[in-house]
Amino acid sequence: GNSVTQMEGPVTLSEEAFLTINCTYTATGYPSLFWYVQYPGEGLQLLLKATKADDKGSNKGFEATYRKETTSFHLEKGSVQVSDSAVYFCALRPPTSGTASKLTFGTGTRLQVTL
Amino acid sequence: DAGVTQSPTHLIKTRGQQVTLRCSPKSGHDTVSWYQQALGQGPQFIFQYYEEEERQRGNFPDRFSGHQFPNYSSELNVNALLLGDSALYLCASSLWWGIQWKTQYFGPGTRLLVL
Repeated sequence: GNSVTQMEGPVTLSEEAFLTINCTYTATGYPSLFWYVQYPGEGLQLLLKATKADDKGSNKGFEATYRKETTSFHLEKGSVQVSDSAVYFCALRPPTSGTASKLTFGTGTRLQVTL
Repeated sequence: DAGVTQSPTHLIKTRGQQVTLRCSPKSGHDTVSWYQQALGQGPQFIFQYYEEEERQRGNFPDRFSGHQFPNYSSELNVNALLLGDSALYLCASSLWWGIQWKTQYFGPGTRLLVL
């Protein structure tokens, strides 16, 4: 079956540090890949996505590249801010098949950014 | 543009009771999915509704049921509540555009506590 594995947290960084959160997946074919962010006490917000191999998703300074050869979709940001402190979820959606749209999530990685 | 809304925001029930959660999709969306997020975990897919029918179901017992109305809003019902049903219940909406579903957007969630 489909699965997503994320690096365990928490990840603690100083402001302006470089961020990498690793995500690898198991799926048949070419799934769509997503990063969602969850701030304390809130629901999930879509951060970025990529729908085919070698696509790069980007938003608010965050980037992730769909790597089919390594089945990875690592999240990166060049300079984190305190306001980036949240839980980050990597997720996949199976390839188009008409009825398969459920998202499979990783367990989440908590990011804590300090001054 | 109205996003996904859910009600109530918080709910406390006792074991054995029944609960109904409500969701209104993002404007222009026609599909609703429900997820359960236990504390410290990633969301788990419960089911998806499209054209007022359950189209896909995750690994949840029949105690979990749902409904979609002609205006695309949805309800999640859980019968015979167990302590383990305590979680954040997330609703996500998307749009079917003929060959696949577009990206899912999440509501803020309903936090259910079962005592």
